[in-house]
Amino acid sequence: DGGITQSPKYLFRKEGQNVTLSCEQNLNHDAMYWYRQDPGQGLRLIYYSQIVNDFQKGDIAEGYSVSREKKESFPLTVTSAQKNPTAFYLCASTPVASGKGEQYFGPGTRLTVT
Amino acid sequence: DAKTTQPTSMDCAEGRAANLPCNHSTISGNEYVYWYRQIHSQGPQYIIHGLKNNETNEMASLIITEDRKSSTLILPHATLRDTAVYYCIVNSGSGYALNFGKGTSLLVTP
Repeated sequence: DGGITQSPKYLFRKEGQNVTLSCEQNLNHDAMYWYRQDPGQGLRLIYYSQIVNDFQKGDIAEGYSVSREKKESFPLTVTSAQKNPTAFYLCASTPVASGKGEQYFGPGTRLTVT
Repeated sequence: DAKTTQPTSMDCAEGRAANLPCNHSTISGNEYVYWYRQIHSQGPQYIIHGLKNNETNEMASLIITEDRKSSTLILPHATLRDTAVYYCIVNSGSGYALNFGKGTSLLVTP
């Protein structure tokens, strides 16, 4: 099945530890995105990448880092510098060449830091 | 991207049409109107998008006013599984990140 996978679904970490969230897609999409969602809120953009080896900061990039070494993978690292890391993290992708602009989302990873 | 305004919440009886409004008065000529929905604790799901003309697919219909300053998403026969938060987003297209606001929380009741 084609799609976007995020793992794990739930993740627990102690404060002060870095943690990396996985996002993989086998849709051959060019662009990939990371969003954060807090309870009762909309999605906020952390980072996005339109092409391999290139990425741009979104609205709330502080305390996060990403890499895009392969087209199908866009991992997000939540560093200890992120003040409020507990949130629901969503990865998405889109086929830039299609001209349609619709984004396909993964199931999300719920991160809890204590 | 142009800003959108949506009601915070709406109710709809099962089997009835759900009409979800969205204002986007500052939309520019090359921007599309997209609709997504998010069922609790899941990733958002693309529903439909349009530029000027009305659009229909198997999930919904999108009605865009002639001046493009507002639109309405129509779910023709709402079911309990349509209970979700619906996001109206204006965006110029491929490769650009979407600006999700708080959306409209739709509750479909039996």
